[in-house]
Amino acid sequence: NSKVIQTPRYLVKGQGQKAKMRCIPEKGHPVVFWYQQNKNNEFKFLINFQNQEVLQQIDMTEKRFSAECPSNSPCSLEIQSSEAGDSALYLCASSRGTFYAEQFFGPGTRLTVL
Amino acid sequence: GDSVTQMQGQVTLSEDDFLFINCTYSTTWYPTLFWYVQYPGEGPQLLLKVTTANNKGISRGFEATYDKGTTSFHLQKASVQESDSAVYYCAHTNKVVFGTGTRLQVLP
Repeated sequence: NSKVIQTPRYLVKGQGQKAKMRCIPEKGHPVVFWYQQNKNNEFKFLINFQNQEVLQQIDMTEKRFSAECPSNSPCSLEIQSSEAGDSALYLCASSRGTFYAEQFFGPGTRLTVL
Repeated sequence: GDSVTQMQGQVTLSEDDFLFINCTYSTTWYPTLFWYVQYPGEGPQLLLKVTTANNKGISRGFEATYDKGTTSFHLQKASVQESDSAVYYCAHTNKVVFGTGTRLQVLP
């Protein structure tokens, strides 16, 4: 069973508000991924880290999101100014490597933007 | 570009039916291929993975063969149970690519 911890499980924000969620990866996993899953169950990759460094991110993440994975602290994903279209399940996953290793997912943070 | 295609959005079966979920991939690399399963209220979890072409992955009665010739990684199970009801995702992680998922509903 996965030991990736995500908090909070549910988050409700108004449009324009900041929304911040956290993730503690499995012990010993240097790579962390963030995904956005919409109501149609489609995944959108947002960003990934290896240790504290960003490996890849999409344009949207670069512009409106901020994410970090400081050493000895939870990773975080923050939406600077929430929009209705950001309502989704945000999934954090960790793995031992980037391309060939399986990802272990947390239960997700469900964000609702009113 | 890199992609994974699952054509079936929803599959409805009865218990003990044969399951086949289609998955094809596109990449310029030699990917590792995965099937993940997501139950309601949970994050996805690995079902099986295959790293080498022409090999088969088997787990919990599910199997998938990495077919480099047809660039496919179809998921099969001989006899489904109601507890298999979930969303199944095909993936390769050369560039963190997931398919759109296939929702399996198994009727008692």
